[in-house]
Amino acid sequence: TQLLEQSPQFLSIQEGENLTVYCNSSSVFSSLQWYRQEPGEGPVLLVTVVTGGEVKKLKRLTFQFGDARKDSSLHITAAQPGDTGLYLCAGSFRGGKLQFGAGTQVVVTP
Amino acid sequence: NAGVTQTPKFRVLKTGQSMTLLCAQDMNHEYMYWYRQDPGMGLRLIHYSVGEGTTAKGEVPDGYNVSRLKKQNFLLGLESAAPSQTSVYFCASSYLPSGILFGPGTRLTVT
Repeated sequence: TQLLEQSPQFLSIQEGENLTVYCNSSSVFSSLQWYRQEPGEGPVLLVTVVTGGEVKKLKRLTFQFGDARKDSSLHITAAQPGDTGLYLCAGSFRGGKLQFGAGTQVVVTP
Repeated sequence: NAGVTQTPKFRVLKTGQSMTLLCAQDMNHEYMYWYRQDPGMGLRLIHYSVGEGTTAKGEVPDGYNVSRLKKQNFLLGLESAAPSQTSVYFCASSYLPSGILFGPGTRLTVT
């Protein structure tokens, strides 16, 4: 059973379009992270959000943590082919456990 | 710093064989993790460790054992491999229980 549900599972868009990926859970997290993974490699950390309602921006990527610290979203503005990859959210629990969602595969075509 | 390294990168086992995957980190991280990644399942936590000499079960621990005798190493053992353990295995480490750094992965096939 996946504690974190990501939607959509797959997203294919044209270069220049915007996209949003969602991460939802019934559990409250002490922090939540977003990662991007490319084929044949391990996931790479993009951002960590800690405070409910927090919004972080990383160039064209905007990350939001829900007020109740149970959900998060990742918004990409003017997507580029280099944004193609598997986007994973991960929730951190007290005691050191970090659990991942199933991921959203994003494909940006020129 | 080499970061997180994993040995081996690829391995093919026959059902019933045993093997050990080695993970090493040179960043003095307290937390270390073993995940497996299967299509459509994301990353599932097998075992983790919050410090030298400690281990704890994750979501899918059955069929695996781990040891953390030294702070920099985290070993994952398969005593009797099964085809269901065919997967890509990732080791990771962190200073805090968030924002972890992943290794390059080990692709294991059990026939």
